Amino acid sequence: AQSVTQLDSHVSVSEGTPVLLRCNYSSSYSPSLFWYVQHPNKGLQLLLKYTSAATLVKGINGFEAEFKKSETSFHLTKPSAHMSDAAEYFCVVRGEAGGSYIPTFGRGTSLIVHP
Amino acid sequence: DTAVSQTPKYLVTQMGNDKSIKCEQNLGHDTMYWYKQDSKKFLKIMFSYNNKELIINETVPNRFSPKSPDKAHLNLHINSLELGDSAVYFCASSLRGSGTEAFFGQGTRLTVV
Repeated sequence: AQSVTQLDSHVSVSEGTPVLLRCNYSSSYSPSLFWYVQHPNKGLQLLLKYTSAATLVKGINGFEAEFKKSETSFHLTKPSAHMSDAAEYFCVVRGEAGGSYIPTFGRGTSLIVHP
Repeated sequence: DTAVSQTPKYLVTQMGNDKSIKCEQNLGHDTMYWYKQDSKKFLKIMFSYNNKELIINETVPNRFSPKSPDKAHLNLHINSLELGDSAVYFCASSLRGSGTEAFFGQGTRLTVV
């Protein structure tokens, strides 16, 4: 079985300050991990992905994430938040589970950015 | 060109009706999915389908059924709609292997009145 835990349902930051969205995963096999962003009333956009290459992954809009196998974590960071970063963020794991590779979502973290 | 497209974008219907949501992908993917996003934004898998197998989340009522006329399409049929079916439904597609990301449609907001 595989699962994802997003440790914070809401994260609030001021514009220009760093962002940290936390994600821990559980998977029986070496998983692939993804972060998606959903702006209000919009679809899901891929921010970045980890697929067993470099453990530090850079994505779009200045986001990056580090895969730490020893901690089973895949936290998302950005050095400086922008107002346009306000959105819902989802950590997703995809690994072999009973012969299928169904993407499994965390419950999401709402990022709030204050001026 | 839109990679994963679903129609309609909004659907308002009465309880007890039967409705369908269509989904098409032009990415050449072999696997398609339907997810339900509830009011708390949680995305729950409903179905996963490729040309070999259909995987059904056991919590999905049998009023919901996926239908795939070909590899590029996976439509969602819902019978006897209930108020609790109101949600946003997302279609997605991917290659079967774990290393590839899934691409999502823009969602269909279903409101049952």
